Amino acid sequence: KAGVTQTPRYLIKTRGQQVTLSCSPISGHRSVSWYQQTPGQGLQFLFEYFSETQRNKGNFPGRFSGRQFSNSRSEMNVSTLELGDSALYLCASSTQTGYDTEAFFGQGTRLTVV
Amino acid sequence: AQKITQTQPGMFVQEKEAVTLDCTYDTSDPSYGLFWYKQPSSGEMIFLIYQGSYDQQNATEGRYSLNFQKARKSANLVISASQLGDSAMYFCAMREVSGGSYIPTFGRGTSLIVHP
Repeated sequence: KAGVTQTPRYLIKTRGQQVTLSCSPISGHRSVSWYQQTPGQGLQFLFEYFSETQRNKGNFPGRFSGRQFSNSRSEMNVSTLELGDSALYLCASSTQTGYDTEAFFGQGTRLTVV
Repeated sequence: AQKITQTQPGMFVQEKEAVTLDCTYDTSDPSYGLFWYKQPSSGEMIFLIYQGSYDQQNATEGRYSLNFQKARKSANLVISASQLGDSAMYFCAMREVSGGSYIPTFGRGTSLIVHP
């Protein structure tokens, strides 16, 4: 069974640009969550989608947005990139949403903003 | 206030010995889940073990066990018979119901180095 796939693995963008990251969950998983990991702030929850609907949202500005398609694949978009957006962006999928649901992570997309 | 506290930034252990990684949490919600993840240098977060707030017994998964002390709000990870491949960052995480949403929070992690 294929794991969670994130593309691209590495990305370099210029300040002010926008970027779209992609996440393909494990087959059969309907929930996809996104996280930002930085040395300064650690691992922070961005948002979660379940069956194409955003179910949970972390404390991030509106420049961070996402969506989920009918096949459960998800994209995350960051507009007007800032230097502080440089981070490892992790995607996780699970069968459902809930406090007792384990999530399986992809290898992440490392975004560098210059 | 931190919801998940991992007080050990770094830990060292000899191969084949056991090691305990500390995690304390803070919640007023009676329903919550506690998770441990391993993150090797490759970046991927690997799920290790889960403990539910209503579980009576400590969770175990192979060489991993979770020492769950609910009254102390403690969920320590015990790795038995450490292997060189266990060297990685370890994160404790909690998922609770917050206003109807299941927002996960992670600790800052503990770096484990296993010596031969």
